[in-house]
Amino acid sequence: GQSLEQPSEVTAVEGAIVQINCTYQTSGFYGLSWYQQHDGGAPTFLSYNALDGLEETGRFSSFLSRSDSYGYLLLQELQMKDSASYFCAVSDNYGQNFVFGPGTRLSVLP
Amino acid sequence: KAGVTQTPRYLIKTRGQQVTLSCSPISGHRSVSWYQQTPGQGLQFLFEYFSETQRNKGNFPGRFSGRQFSNSRSEMNVSTLELGDSALYLCASSSQTSGGETQYFGPGTRLLVL
Repeated sequence: GQSLEQPSEVTAVEGAIVQINCTYQTSGFYGLSWYQQHDGGAPTFLSYNALDGLEETGRFSSFLSRSDSYGYLLLQELQMKDSASYFCAVSDNYGQNFVFGPGTRLSVLP
Repeated sequence: KAGVTQTPRYLIKTRGQQVTLSCSPISGHRSVSWYQQTPGQGLQFLFEYFSETQRNKGNFPGRFSGRQFSNSRSEMNVSTLELGDSALYLCASSSQTSGGETQYFGPGTRLLVL
């Protein structure tokens, strides 16, 4: 089976940096993905890590430590539009059998 | 490329009825996955189809079924609807090639069961 844990809520102010952690327990592991979902919208892909280390995409970075079954999403220079839910997801096979974490609701305050 | 489309966008049914939802993936994508999203349970995986074959199935009762056609379009069916089936149903497609971990989600079908 697979299970993922994330904080339920995080609050930060504009311009700040926030880190959203994700720990997972899986019977198999292929990669860790992150998705963003605004209220009323569909999840959109942010980043993907298959190997240990940091992946950077603009203001967003994602980190993975396979030995610790742990990853995080780092959001820098927070903007109001970053207020959304963020989900980590793992698959135990190439592009298959995705399991999503419970989601972290990020509120960015002015 | 056009994105993932889902129809209908909104649906109201009554208990005991059945419903069919449709999903058209991004052109060239052969994998379609379905998810149920509710406030209490989050995003839960229903099943995944690839080239008309169901490859993976989540932990849902047999009332939930799906299929995929030769053009990769997919449908999911829920029979004997229950109040607890009220949810946002999302489908996602992926290319299953390099970067196949990326899933592209449709806007979802919001189902309300009365």
